[in-house]
Amino acid sequence: QVQLQGSGPGLLKPSDTLSLTCTVSGGSISNYYWGWIRQPPGKGLEWIGYVSYTGSTNHNPSLKSRVTTSLDTSKNQFSLEMTSVTAADTAVYYCARVQYRNYYFAMDVWGQGTTVTVSS
Amino acid sequence: EIVLTQSPDTLSLSPGERATLSCRASQVISGTYLAWYQQKPGQAPSLLFYGASSRATAIPERFSGGGSGTDFTLTITRLEPEDFAVYYCQHYGSTLYTFGQGTKLEIK
Repeated sequence: QVQLQGSGPGLLKPSDTLSLTCTVSGGSISNYYWGWIRQPPGKGLEWIGYVSYTGSTNHNPSLKSRVTTSLDTSKNQFSLEMTSVTAADTAVYYCARVQYRNYYFAMDVWGQGTTVTVSS
Repeated sequence: EIVLTQSPDTLSLSPGERATLSCRASQVISGTYLAWYQQKPGQAPSLLFYGASSRATAIPERFSGGGSGTDFTLTITRLEPEDFAVYYCQHYGSTLYTFGQGTKLEIK
């Protein structure tokens, strides 16, 4: 059974770069898309972006200029970088598997979430 | 940009009752790319439906999804205690994802 484990620093200062990694276990990173979603405290879900198994990427236009997603097939990991963070980027960050073929781009496996706080 | 509006924001019902949650799109969308998720407190969301009406793995039959065009629904026929949670609809189109704001299903 595929499991996702997110990791990264939990506390950042304004203007820092957020770097998160999601490790895929129990299955291969190949042949899927891999996504990032965040949830500010007490609020709803916001899509950040995804990276395909080929390395192609797509990001939320509202975050596009600050976000980079990538994957490392040798480590079965994919990553998120977000530059110039502010307090508005404080959220739980989820990684997820995107079933682009069988489930029409629904996200069927999610990591447990990584809490990121931006504060001076 | 497609906007998904869920209603109601909060639904208060008792176990055993029927719940109907709505997701309305700002323009006609393909139900093929409409999904529903359930999120319990302190947990990650979990997939309920893809393609508007296809249950994900291990989703009980008391859950059903449907709709077309701009109006989609999630129905829970007889609420169990574990069903009280927040539900989100989500659409994928033109390489972009959109989520609804969520409906909180709470115990009355």
